[in-house]
Order: sequence, then structure tokens, then C-alpha cells
Amino acid sequence: DSGVTQTPKHLITATGQRVTLRCSPRSGDLSVYWYQQSLDQGLQFLIQYYNGEERAKGNILERFSAQQFPDLHSELNLSSLELGDSALYFCASSVGASGAYEQYFGPGTRLTVT
Amino acid sequence: GENVEQHPSTLSVQEGDSAVIKCTYSDSASNYFPWYKQELGKRPQLIIDIRSNVGEKKDQRIAVTLNKTAKHFSLHITETQPEDSAVYFCAASRGRDDKIIFGKGTRLHILP
Repeated sequence: DSGVTQTPKHLITATGQRVTLRCSPRSGDLSVYWYQQSLDQGLQFLIQYYNGEERAKGNILERFSAQQFPDLHSELNLSSLELGDSALYFCASSVGASGAYEQYFGPGTRLTVT
Repeated sequence: GENVEQHPSTLSVQEGDSAVIKCTYSDSASNYFPWYKQELGKRPQLIIDIRSNVGEKKDQRIAVTLNKTAKHFSLHITETQPEDSAVYFCAASRGRDDKIIFGKGTRLHILP
């Protein structure tokens, strides 16, 4: 158990809908990262927050947005969902702001868009 | 932009043999290189990392080597065992003030 929690574990929804994925980092960690992992694909970095502020942006679509709250939990919002958004979404946390710290991954949220 | 290339994408080795996975990076300012292992259906976990002030690091059957001149680093697993079967991701970061870039992963199969 990494100490990072993600809810829900599974999510099934229809195209065009909007969903929110939630992540709670390890105690003491200030950074939260979001990744998308499609079948047979690597880890696509989406976005990073550090202590409530957006820190780095990766290949995140405009239909996706995220935020980190004062209690450091983070939410990833996916809207106007398409079939291709079906994937495993991981969040990870680390103690520091940069990429030079170990990242602890949550168990992931499996999103299925039908 | 920054890029990390990882090869091979799939690797099959006989149990007991060694496995080597190679990565190259584009940003010469990169100075932190972690390796993550993701077993089937599980989350990625850090298995070893190396910083640019050393050329090699070992942890039991796992070692990582770094060649800063050539901008490549490799993961070596010796005496492979069935539990080594997983997807391995390399990554690179410039450390302070910078994000981390992951390679596309290598699926390692350990054959009985």
C-alpha cells in the first residue's frame, strides 16, 4: 500500500458525459501527478500540482481539467467523454515539487466509456 | 522538447538469464533517472534510481548504469525469476524545478 488513495476504483459512463476522479496523496506529500494509461500504452503524464498550484502540464486535453485543494487532495475532471478516453487513470504523489523525488502511485481508477 | 526513448518494447528471456533494458534521453541537463516496475493489474513502483553524479548503482539482482556523455542509461536484471515479469518504465528529470518524463515501457516476460 503506497498511502495514495484513489476513488472510485471503476467508473463506467457514456460518451458525452462528465466524470470526476479523486486522489488523496500520502501524508506529507505536496505534489500530485495525474497519468493516463491506455491498453498497451505507457504512462502519459497529464498534469502536476504542487501545494495547490499547477506545476507542470503534459499531454492533457482541453476537455480535461484538474485542481488541488487546500487539504492537498486532487480531482481530475473529464468532460465530453469519448470512447478513446477509456483508460486507467493513476495519480501519484511525491514530497517535492520537482521530478527528482520518488513518486508513489495510487491503485488507479479504471474508466470505461461506452 | 524533452524525450525519453526506451527499448525494447517487449523482451522475453529464459528464467535465470539476464535482461537489459535501455533508455536514451534528449535533455543533457537531466540528472535524475528512476526505474519503475508495474506488475500486471498493479500500480507502478520505484525499484531503483540513479543520479548523475554516479555511473552505476546496484541493489541485489538489479543494477542501473548511466552514460552521461552518450545520454543513455540501462537497467540490468540478473538471474531473472518469474516475479520479474512486468512492465518496466524508465524516466528522466532535470531535478529541481522540472517535471519527469517517462519512457513508453518494456514488457518483460520471463520464460520457464
